[in-house]
Amino acid sequence: KAGVTQTPRYLIKTRGQQVTLSCSPISGHRSVSWYQQTPGQGLQFLFEYFSETQRNKGNFPGRFSGRQFSNSRSEMNVSTLELGDSALYLCASIGVNTEAFFGQGTRLTVV
Amino acid sequence: GEDVEQSLFLSVREGDSSVINCTYTDSSSTYLYWYKQEPGAGLQLLTYIFSNMDMKQDQRLTVLLNKKDKHLSLRIADTQTGDSAIYFCAGPQHSNYQLIWGAGTKLIIKP
Repeated sequence: KAGVTQTPRYLIKTRGQQVTLSCSPISGHRSVSWYQQTPGQGLQFLFEYFSETQRNKGNFPGRFSGRQFSNSRSEMNVSTLELGDSALYLCASIGVNTEAFFGQGTRLTVV
Repeated sequence: GEDVEQSLFLSVREGDSSVINCTYTDSSSTYLYWYKQEPGAGLQLLTYIFSNMDMKQDQRLTVLLNKKDKHLSLRIADTQTGDSAIYFCAGPQHSNYQLIWGAGTKLIIKP
């Protein structure tokens, strides 16, 4: 059974640009959650998608958005990047007992 | 609101047992989880315990749950250098089943 795949693994962008990150969950999982991880703030919940609908949302500005496709793959987008958006972005594929299976993450650096 | 607390660091000698502690506030959590994160990697699900259990053992890992005190612990027997990582505890909050995460405990192994 394939795990959670996140692409790309590493990304360098300049301030003001936008970025799109992709996540393919475990086959059969319909729920995907996104997290931002930084050394100072720890693991912060961004949003969760279930069957193409955003079910929960964390406390992030509107520059952060996401979507989910009919095959459960999910993307998140950050517009007008700021230096503070530099972080590891983690996608989790959610199992039947709400357990989260994580991808390797996308390391975003904003310069 | 719901909260999960962990101490930030734990230092143990190789071969000793490590005990990582976690306290939580949402008493309705059905499952509680332990994750391991190695440098530069995503989070790996180590083990989980259902809330009607007091203890779960899985090879070198023992999870203890004290529901009365809302205290969860992870014991790693015969700690090895490969156990060096950050350990997170997490549980779903009752209101929306989103996982609430502790800040993570960095386990440092002394030779």
